[in-house]
Amino acid sequence: DTEVTQTPKHLVMGMTNKKSLKCEQHMGHRAMYWYKQKAKKPPELMFVYSYEKLSINESVPSRFSPECPNSSLLNLHLHALQPEDSALYLCASSQDLRSSGSRETQYFGPGTRLLVL
Amino acid sequence: AQTVTQSQPEMSVQEAETVTLSCTYDTSESDYYLFWYKQPPSRQMILVIRQEAYKQQNATENRFSVNFQKAAKSFSLKISDSQLGDAAMYFCAYRSAGYGNKLVFGAGTILRVKS
Repeated sequence: DTEVTQTPKHLVMGMTNKKSLKCEQHMGHRAMYWYKQKAKKPPELMFVYSYEKLSINESVPSRFSPECPNSSLLNLHLHALQPEDSALYLCASSQDLRSSGSRETQYFGPGTRLLVL
Repeated sequence: AQTVTQSQPEMSVQEAETVTLSCTYDTSESDYYLFWYKQPPSRQMILVIRQEAYKQQNATENRFSVNFQKAAKSFSLKISDSQLGDAAMYFCAYRSAGYGNKLVFGAGTILRVKS
């Protein structure tokens, strides 16, 4: 089973709203990722968590706040977003951050399509 | 820094025929991993195939196979017996071996399958 789930599938929010995106995996993976993807472009890495600790932050604006409450869950809290933040937000997981065997292979969720008005 | 280049923005193939998607990459490292991901219009990114650089044998997964040429830094994807469900954006991606290295994606190739 290589399933990563994300909720909600779609989200519309105003620039003053606070909302959260949720990602879940039950593969026992210890690395989880947030990506942002614009239409017809490759994903851009935002954050990486390893063993529930923030490992990489790609200089993402503070209006995006990640959280990893446990090894299966990853949240992305959104506040005061801008219209240019409208995109598909993808979550991914991998066994961990090492690269041996297939540990480094990332599995993606279906994404949350976010529209900021 | 590593870069991945997909020189074909769009490709078309007739159903049941074979198509090859190109990918080249630039790296000074000897140990790394290469991936092809497929993203259909439903937009879930799906792993198609994975290749370790230290393996000379080309990876295959059913109708999908790669032509990995390490010296030429080329990693093309061949899709045999194309099906309508193969229509998608295909991303080539590179990851250095070692701890915590990121996936570097190419720009993607849109594959259209004609019936």
